[in-house]
Amino acid sequence: DTEVTQTPKHLVMGMTNKKSLKCEQHMGHRAMYWYKQKAKKPPELMFVYSYEKLSINESVPSRFSPECPNSSLLNLHLHALQPEDSALYLCASSHAGFIHQPQHFGDGTRLSIL
Amino acid sequence: QQPVQSPQAVILREGEDAVINCSSSKALYSVHWYRQKHGEAPVFLMILLKGGEQKGHEKISASFNEKKQQSSLYLTASQLSYSGTYFCGTEGGLSGNQGGKLIFGQGTELSVKP
Repeated sequence: DTEVTQTPKHLVMGMTNKKSLKCEQHMGHRAMYWYKQKAKKPPELMFVYSYEKLSINESVPSRFSPECPNSSLLNLHLHALQPEDSALYLCASSHAGFIHQPQHFGDGTRLSIL
Repeated sequence: QQPVQSPQAVILREGEDAVINCSSSKALYSVHWYRQKHGEAPVFLMILLKGGEQKGHEKISASFNEKKQQSSLYLTASQLSYSGTYFCGTEGGLSGNQGGKLIFGQGTELSVKP
């Protein structure tokens, strides 16, 4: 079991649906991350939050909308996704001052777009 | 820029040793190593910082040569549990908006057979 919990584990949605991915950690970490991982590829950074503020957006399309309501929670709101957005979405967290800090990953949400 | 890992895949018998290399064309300040088993979260192994240090955990150790912009992961007396995909992740500059921005190599798939 990992200390970063992601829900749901699997999600199937149509291109017109709106859904949200949720990530929770209780390690006192103040930096949280969203990654996208395609099969047999490395994780690719999407967003970084530091102290609940968005600090890095890797030019992610606006159909992905992150939210950090408090220091323990990170959401990723999805709307009008494309089939190529099907992937494993990983959440991670680390201590603040996130340079040189190990990142702790959740098990991910496997997303399929019909 | 994505670091380059080699080899892409390696098959070992239990008890054999392996070396996984990670190199970058850009200056590095730190290198992270993670292992991801199929269907699971990436798990942090170690971080190496500037200074050419070598770190180790049980039978897994690593070195970092910032002059050559390379890191190597050493797995000695491999066990079945070492199987998985190993990723190096590099951090670039120390400016605020670069911190925490890990760029992963393409991964090395390690299989340990009985």
